[in-house]
Amino acid sequence: DVKVTQSSRYLVKRTGEKVFLECVQDMDHENMFWYRQDPGLGLRLIYFSYDVKMKEKGDIPEGYSVSREKKERFSLILESASTNQTSMYLCASSFSDRDGYTFGSGTRLTVV
Amino acid sequence: EDQVTQSPEALRLQEGESSSLNCSYTVSGLRGLFWYRQDPGKGPEFLFTLYSAGEEKEKERLKATLTKKESFLHITAPKPEDSATYLCAVLGGAQKLVFGQGTRLTINP
Repeated sequence: DVKVTQSSRYLVKRTGEKVFLECVQDMDHENMFWYRQDPGLGLRLIYFSYDVKMKEKGDIPEGYSVSREKKERFSLILESASTNQTSMYLCASSFSDRDGYTFGSGTRLTVV
Repeated sequence: EDQVTQSPEALRLQEGESSSLNCSYTVSGLRGLFWYRQDPGKGPEFLFTLYSAGEEKEKERLKATLTKKESFLHITAPKPEDSATYLCAVLGGAQKLVFGQGTRLTINP
């Protein structure tokens, strides 16, 4: 089974901190994605990557950046955390865009 | 712009009471429709992909069907462990999944 591992289940950070969320997949998938999930708003795509060192903006990239230096690792960076970035963050990967995505367990981030 | 609407928002059933969840979509060039199950505090778990109208897929008590405008997730004789949020997503020409807001399903014993 493909596994997508997110480094933290719960995080509490202060406003203005730089925050790193790490995601690692173990099945050589080309594609990786970062979503956030909020009640009433569903899953919204922040950034995605189809290859190493490649990144594309999703629907809500403002306030975020990403890094993909190795195929298996996709990092989401909150440059200066704000309270409106409190959310559940979900990482996903897939072999091709027509395959089902495999999601990680999520990181619940609280910014205080 | 690709859009997905799921209904109802929430559904409460008795154990053994069959029902269907709806996913209506508008997409430019459907390349796939996906169903996921999500338990509280966890990431979505992949269930099915449907690629063309008329296609059906089954897994245990779940059956997914697809038309040109909507998909149904039929649940037959559900059990309490089927309680979860069910998410629908479409893949169109933009090459990224667009999700609906989900249906929260509760099965009472």
